[in-house]
Amino acid sequence: EAQVTQNPRYLITVTGKKLTVTCSQNMNHEYMSWYRQDPGLGLRQIYYSMNVEVTDKGDVPEGYKVSRKEKRNFPLILESPSPNQTSLYFCASRYAGLGNTEAFFGQGTRLTVV
Amino acid sequence: AQTVTQSQPEMSVQEAETVTLSCTYDTSESDYYLFWYKQPPSRQMILVIRQEAYKQQNATENRFSVNFQKAAKSFSLKISDSQLGDAAMYFCAYRPGTTSGTYKYIFGTGTRLKVLA
Repeated sequence: EAQVTQNPRYLITVTGKKLTVTCSQNMNHEYMSWYRQDPGLGLRQIYYSMNVEVTDKGDVPEGYKVSRKEKRNFPLILESPSPNQTSLYFCASRYAGLGNTEAFFGQGTRLTVV
Repeated sequence: AQTVTQSQPEMSVQEAETVTLSCTYDTSESDYYLFWYKQPPSRQMILVIRQEAYKQQNATENRFSVNFQKAAKSFSLKISDSQLGDAAMYFCAYRPGTTSGTYKYIFGTGTRLKVLA
């Protein structure tokens, strides 16, 4: 089954404690990205990756890091989480070819930083 | 910069009735794609319908259809014969075409749809 898998789905952590949210896709997609969803703001892009070892900032990258060492994986790293990073996070992947290719989203990770 | 606006934070519809969710966008691109995503309480993002800007014909998927007005930059979603399972948050999204070199989606702020039994 084609899917994007995020882990964990729920996470409560304390300020300053480094954490990683994993994202893996099994569709051999080149393009992967991370979004955060906040009430009244919709989804905003944090980082994206065009392919292995190619990453770039989205609209709200401050406080986040990513890496793309393998095509299937795109982890989101919070080196020193703060309460303003409490949010719902989505990983998405898509084939980067021509045409109206569909983006596949993970199940979401609800992060609470206290 | 491209923007997507959903001016209705919340809508209600009676079961079996029809409801229209509004979306407007702003772009200077001529090649782009538009989407409606549904987010039920499970939080999963589910693609409802998509539209290519170069197509004049409005997209339709079963009970879901769009009214795409390119000149007005409007992309509304019509849900016919509303069902209780349609209750969800709906997001309108814009994505530039491949030739732009930009791959990100730009989302609206969402419209929460309630379906009344």
